Amino acid sequence: GAGVSQSPSNKVTEKGKDVELRCDPISGHTALYWYRQRLGQGLEFLIYFQGNSAPDKSGLPSDRFSAERTGESVSTLTIQRTQQEDSAVYLCASSFGGSGEKLFFGSGTQLSVL
Amino acid sequence: AQSVTQLDSQVPVFEEAPVELRCNYSSSVSVYLFWYVQYPNQGLQLLLKYLSGSTLVKSINGFEAEFNKSQTSFHLRKPSVHISDTAEYFCAVRGSSGGSNYKLTFGKGTLLTVNP
Repeated sequence: GAGVSQSPSNKVTEKGKDVELRCDPISGHTALYWYRQRLGQGLEFLIYFQGNSAPDKSGLPSDRFSAERTGESVSTLTIQRTQQEDSAVYLCASSFGGSGEKLFFGSGTQLSVL
Repeated sequence: AQSVTQLDSQVPVFEEAPVELRCNYSSSVSVYLFWYVQYPNQGLQLLLKYLSGSTLVKSINGFEAEFNKSQTSFHLRKPSVHISDTAEYFCAVRGSSGGSNYKLTFGKGTLLTVNP
């Protein structure tokens, strides 16, 4: 597709379950970002991938969060043993190059942990 | 590290009225500044950015923002809004140099609602 694609668009899960969120960036974009937006808050940086460089995981809030990216394509964000405070919109963005001057965002995954 | 403050969470205005969405930032280094817009049911998209040069930057749909270093501000303005400008607007900042200059810090957003 022409834009950043995220799936699922909505996910409802029970506390303690694992969830996997998927991001398909724009073809040719070497950089990929995950952000989280809790209700009433700004976007919170989670993780950054750039080409074959080691990812910047400095924003991951706990060891329950992990993310992978296969080459310069699809990325998955996994949250293990979900907690209610994990409820948020998870946004993926990609850019051509790692300068961060123009990010293209997906529509996000709304995660609700009951 | 940087931070961004968007003082107004919601701004309602009437069509054809002027609007200003305020953004202030904090940073110990030189910065680049951005405004992103999120229309209903769409992803965020870049509206305009300041990297260097002229402190007044403009978008293709009539918005403009001015970088004011002394006031650490980057307010967004439009002289006459349309119904179609209804959206959430996010101000963002990143360092202009350094190892983590890809990392954008966002404000909490301002919901602009344009009423007929």
